[in-house]
Amino acid sequence: NAGVTQTPKFQVLKTGQSMTLQCAQDMNHNSMYWYRQDPGMGLRLIYYSASEGTTDKGEVPNGYNVSRLNKREFSLRLESAAPSQTSVYFCASSDEIGGGVWELFFGEGSRLTVL
Amino acid sequence: GENVEQHPSTLSVQEGDSAVIKCTYSDSASNYFPWYKQELGKGPQLIIDIRSNVGEKKDQRIAVTLNKTAKHFSLHITETQPEDSAVYFCAASSWSYQLTFGKGTKLSVIP
Repeated sequence: NAGVTQTPKFQVLKTGQSMTLQCAQDMNHNSMYWYRQDPGMGLRLIYYSASEGTTDKGEVPNGYNVSRLNKREFSLRLESAAPSQTSVYFCASSDEIGGGVWELFFGEGSRLTVL
Repeated sequence: GENVEQHPSTLSVQEGDSAVIKCTYSDSASNYFPWYKQELGKGPQLIIDIRSNVGEKKDQRIAVTLNKTAKHFSLHITETQPEDSAVYFCAASSWSYQLTFGKGTKLSVIP
């Protein structure tokens, strides 16, 4: 039972390089999310996808793009990495479990360092 | 939009003592309040939640309380153990797939 799988777990980039973080879930959830976690800032939503074929900006979308490839996969792309994007990135998925309640399931995170 | 404030940011307790983490929210329409635990090197995991039509919920050593009038909710951990050491996040949502998280509390349980 894999749940939410993220790759890569660690990545070091130089300023200006591009990369894509991959995420896949095997729980047949409709909604998927990308968060970043920085010290003292908690979890901030970058982008989310309420269902296959839709994506929307979250709290901190600048410098990122996303693709909801299919129901299982949701990728996050940094086109031109900046040191301010050094962070731990979490992918999550969810589905309604009744009564307007949505439980999030998180991956184990991808630690990105931009030099 | 929703704003969730969480206190304290760090908390140290002796093993066996109780720990309390408090959160306030701004949107009176919020109706679902989960708590997530993040162990070192892992993603957050749901440990307990409460809905707006309930004032208190318990699950073994952990409990959550909700005061809708004051717009605050709290996590209580009794008889703390070293494995309770982690970062805890509160969150709030209103009939939505979007959760707004607090900034987290790092709990350290000292043996």
